[in-house]
This record gives sequence, structure tokens and C-alpha cells, in this order.
Amino acid sequence: KQEVTQIPAALSVPEGENLVLNCSFTDSAIYNLQWFRQDPGKGLTSLLLIQSSQREQTSGRLNASLDKSSGRSTLYIAASQPGDSATYLCAVRPLTGANSKLTFGKGITLSVRP
Amino acid sequence: NAGVTQTPKFRILKIGQSMTLQCTQDMNHNYMYWYRQDPGMGLKLIYYSVGAGITDKGEVPNGYNVSRSTTEDFPLRLELAAPSQTSVYFCASSYGGMENTEAFFGQGTRLTVV
Repeated sequence: KQEVTQIPAALSVPEGENLVLNCSFTDSAIYNLQWFRQDPGKGLTSLLLIQSSQREQTSGRLNASLDKSSGRSTLYIAASQPGDSATYLCAVRPLTGANSKLTFGKGITLSVRP
Repeated sequence: NAGVTQTPKFRILKIGQSMTLQCTQDMNHNYMYWYRQDPGMGLKLIYYSVGAGITDKGEVPNGYNVSRSTTEDFPLRLELAAPSQTSVYFCASSYGGMENTEAFFGQGTRLTVV
């Protein structure tokens, strides 16, 4: 059974710092991995989707990498801002088919201090 | 750009009552999902559907039912509500093609059973 782990559960950093959020998964047979952002009381917003054949994806100040063989992904946030404060979740889709289900980590709650 | 729309946003139910959580998407996505999110527990898949007329159980289906009569709609039915069903419910959809399975989420329904 696939398990997705995100450690630490919470992180507090000063504004302007570059930071890395980690995601690990136990079964490397994945179709893709997706990073989401969730603001308090809100739904999930997709940030980046990395296909299993890709090593990284970039969107603005965000860069997500994928090392499938070691079961790891990282979300790099450059020059963090207070507006980046949110919970960040990663989710993997298994290789068994495009219609298969996402398995989520529990998320990392990020607080960026002004 | 409506995306995935859930109604209602909030609801309080008494034990034993029933209700239907509505979910509709306007992206012509084949795949739709229902998740529940409990504090510290991450997202758990309740039911999913790979197309109209096809549904299947996820990790935590007990106490719920779904139907998928159209591509757009995927309602979640709670029969005989129990306090354990107090949670935030998220509906999601994805195209499900071979190249792009990015998932999009609704804003959630916060349900309290008292």
C-alpha cells in the first residue's frame, strides 16, 4: 500500500528565506505526483504536476523535483513571502492507471513571518 | 471559470438525518472523486467515478453512497448521519487522459453532525 509522508508537519521561516518542503512515498511505481496548496478553510489549489518521466517542474517562484527511484519529491519556494503561508500537500497517483486514485500526505503547514 | 462547485459550504446535521452533498464540474472531466479531510489525518478517498454510470469505493466508503448519472454531477449521499462523519468533504475531478491527470478540487463542504 502506498504511503506518503511529509515531514515536518509545520514549519516557520522568516520572510525572504528560500525553503524546501519534502515529500516521500513508499512505492516508486507512480504515474505522477502533484503538489497542492490549501489555505485555511479553503479547498486545494493545484501548484505543480510532475509526470513520472520528468525530473522537475517550475512555476514562478516554485520548483518541484521528483526522484522516483528514491521515492522523494521536493517543493522549493524561492524568496518566501507571508502570502505563501498555507498548508502544502503532495499526492501521488499510482502507475496502475490514469483512473487510479491519488494518495495524499498529511501536509506541511508553512508560516512565513514578516 | 467555475471549475468544481460544491454545495452547501456548511451544514449541521442531527444524528440519524440524511443529506446529499452536491458536486458539479464544467470541465468535461471523466474522473470525479470524493474525499474527506479530518484534522491531522490527511485526505481519505470515499468514492470515485471514472465516468457516467461507473462508481467505485475508496478507502472509507461506509456510511456513504454516490451516483454518477451525468458527466458533470457526482453527488455524495449520507444516510443516517453519525458524529464520526463530522468532517470537511472535498470533491475533485480530473480529465484522466494518458498525459494529463491533474486534479482540481472544489472549495469543500464543512459538515458537523450533532
